[in-house]
Amino acid sequence: SQTIHQWPATLVQPVGSPLSLECTVEGTSNPNLYWYRQAAGRGLQLLFYSVGIGQISSEVPQNLSASRPQDRQFILSSKKLLLSDSGFYLCAWSRQQNTEAFFGQGTRLTVV
Amino acid sequence: ILNVEQSPQSLHVQEGDSTNFTCSFPSSNFYALHWYRWETAKSPEALFVMTLNGDEKKKGRISATLNTKEGYSYLYIKGSQPEDSATYLCAFTRNQAGTALIFGKGTTLSVSS
Repeated sequence: SQTIHQWPATLVQPVGSPLSLECTVEGTSNPNLYWYRQAAGRGLQLLFYSVGIGQISSEVPQNLSASRPQDRQFILSSKKLLLSDSGFYLCAWSRQQNTEAFFGQGTRLTVV
Repeated sequence: ILNVEQSPQSLHVQEGDSTNFTCSFPSSNFYALHWYRWETAKSPEALFVMTLNGDEKKKGRISATLNTKEGYSYLYIKGSQPEDSATYLCAFTRNQAGTALIFGKGTTLSVSS
C-alpha cells in the first residue's frame, strides 16, 4: 500500500530563518507531487507541483522554493522566512492528474 | 488564474437535516472535479472524482452531481449526522498535461445533535 510521510508536524521559526519541509511517498513510483498551504481563514492554495524528478512548477510567486531530488521525495524550502509564511502546509501525491490526491498529515508553521 | 468558488462558506444544521453545497468552476478546458472531506486534525480525504458531464456519484448518505457545461457541482448529504461535521473541499483540474488540483475555499459544515 502507498503511504505519504510529511515532517515535522509543527514548527516555530523566527523571521529570516531558513525552512526545509520534507515529504516522502512510499509504495508507488513516479507520483505527481504537490505542496499546498492553508493560511488563516483561507482555502488550500497550490504552491508547487511536480510530475517528475527535477520538474517543478510554481503557481504563486513567493519566497518559497521546491525541489524533487528523488522520485518520491519533495522538499519545500525558504532561505528567509517572512511572517506571512505562517500557515498549514500539506504535501500530497496522486497517480495522475485526474485521480484522487492523498495528503500527508501536514505541518503547522508559525513564523515569529 | 482559475477560480473555484464554493458556497456557502459555512453551514450549521441539526442532526437529521439534509443539506447541499455548491462548487462552481471554469467550464472551459475541464478535465476532472474532485470532492474532499477535511476533518479537524486530519488530512483531506477524497470523496469523489468526476470527469463526465452528468456524472452522479454516491457514497452512503453523501452524493454528488456534475455539470461541466455550466461549470458547477453539487454535494448532497442526506440525514446529516454529527460525524459529518467537516470542511468539504472541491477541486478542479484543467485539460492540460502536468496540471494540478485547484481547490476552492471549502464549505464548513457543523451538525448539532
